Amino acid sequence: NAGVTQTPKFQVLKTGQSMTLQCAQDMNHEYMSWYRQDPGMGLRLIHYSVGAGITDQGEVPNGYNVSRSTTEDFPLRLLSAAPSQTSVYFCASSILSDRRPYEQYFGPGTRLTVT
Amino acid sequence: AQKVTQAQTEISVVEKEDVTLDCVYETRDTTYYLFWYKQPPSGELVFLIRRNSFDEQNEISGRYSWNFQKSTSSFNFTITASQVVDSAVYFCALSSNDYKLSFGAGTTVTVRA
Repeated sequence: NAGVTQTPKFQVLKTGQSMTLQCAQDMNHEYMSWYRQDPGMGLRLIHYSVGAGITDQGEVPNGYNVSRSTTEDFPLRLLSAAPSQTSVYFCASSILSDRRPYEQYFGPGTRLTVT
Repeated sequence: AQKVTQAQTEISVVEKEDVTLDCVYETRDTTYYLFWYKQPPSGELVFLIRRNSFDEQNEISGRYSWNFQKSTSSFNFTITASQVVDSAVYFCALSSNDYKLSFGAGTTVTVRA
């Protein structure tokens, strides 16, 4: 049981490049989410999904796309990287309880630098 | 809308002191969950506790205890007899009726030997 896995662990991009951060979970969780963590700002929700084929925006969705074709995978796409997207990205999954995320299991994070 | 405020940015204590981390939340929902997570220097996020809005019992787990008070919308966390291994960033979080989990900005706890 690997839990939540994320790849890559580190990435450096040039402004304007695109890339996909991968996230997978093997716990059959309905709910998956992406956060970014910036100093002094806690974790901010980028996008989330409540099941395969269903995604929605979080607090800071601009510049990011997601899709959920399977229960296990929830990739995050940066369309045209900008220095403001330099951050640590965490993927998480959980069960849903009465439409509310339960405790989230987090991946190890991806440290992204955009130059 | 929901919001979590952790007013303390950093707390520094000497080993064996107690430390209390404050968390104040806002939500219009009557059913919600509150959480505390720990992020040690290694960077992973570790779940510590979940509290249901209908359960106001305080909880103790070893040196950790939590005080949930709906009347003041607070869910405070105390580490008793702190140890160097408690040094971490601690996050309070809230989920209510819109599928979103909102985190506070975090409190950095440094325990000095």
